[in-house]
Amino acid sequence: DVKVTQSSRYLVKRTGEKVFLECVQDMDHENMFWYRQDPGLGLRLIYFSYDVKMKEKGDIPEGYSVSREKKERFSLILESASTNQTSMYLCASSYMTGLLGNQPQHFGDGTRLSIL
Amino acid sequence: AQKVTQAQTEISVVEKEDVTLDCVYETRDTTYYLFWYKQPPSGELVFLIRRNSFDEQNEISGRYSWNFQKSTSSFNFTITASQVVDSAVYFCALYSSASKIIFGSGTRLSIRP
Repeated sequence: DVKVTQSSRYLVKRTGEKVFLECVQDMDHENMFWYRQDPGLGLRLIYFSYDVKMKEKGDIPEGYSVSREKKERFSLILESASTNQTSMYLCASSYMTGLLGNQPQHFGDGTRLSIL
Repeated sequence: AQKVTQAQTEISVVEKEDVTLDCVYETRDTTYYLFWYKQPPSGELVFLIRRNSFDEQNEISGRYSWNFQKSTSSFNFTITASQVVDSAVYFCALYSSASKIIFGSGTRLSIRP
């Protein structure tokens, strides 16, 4: 069974802090994704990665960066947290079969981040 | 433009009723993939089904069924004889090479005992 593990279920940080959200998957998936989920907006893609050290911007990358130094780990970084980044953050992974998103994604439990 | 519309924000039905969740999509691509995911209160999205644009056959899996109609750009999801455990938020999603992956805004389904 695929397991995607996010390091924190709940996190509270202050405005201006640098925040790290960690995600680890155990199925040797090539693709990894970070989304944020907000009421009425569904899931919006922040960044994704299809290989170690490779990253591409999603729909809402502003204010975020990512790091993928190892295949199993994909980190989301809020460089200087702001209150409008308060949200639920979801990490996902999937196999790569030529196209980036045509395989089912496996999701973590999410991190509910509050920026005060 | 690529878009996924789930017009039903919330649905509430009594247990054992049938319920249909609507999904309408827009894409210029001829090759694309559609997905449904379930998000129970625990928060983890769970994959339910994937369909590619060349396969319009309807799918049935137990109490769940999906109706894919390219003519109306819809990929609707029906739960037959609903149960309390079906209570969740359900997301429809679209992937094509032009759009990456786009999720709808979700439908919150509540099944009352």
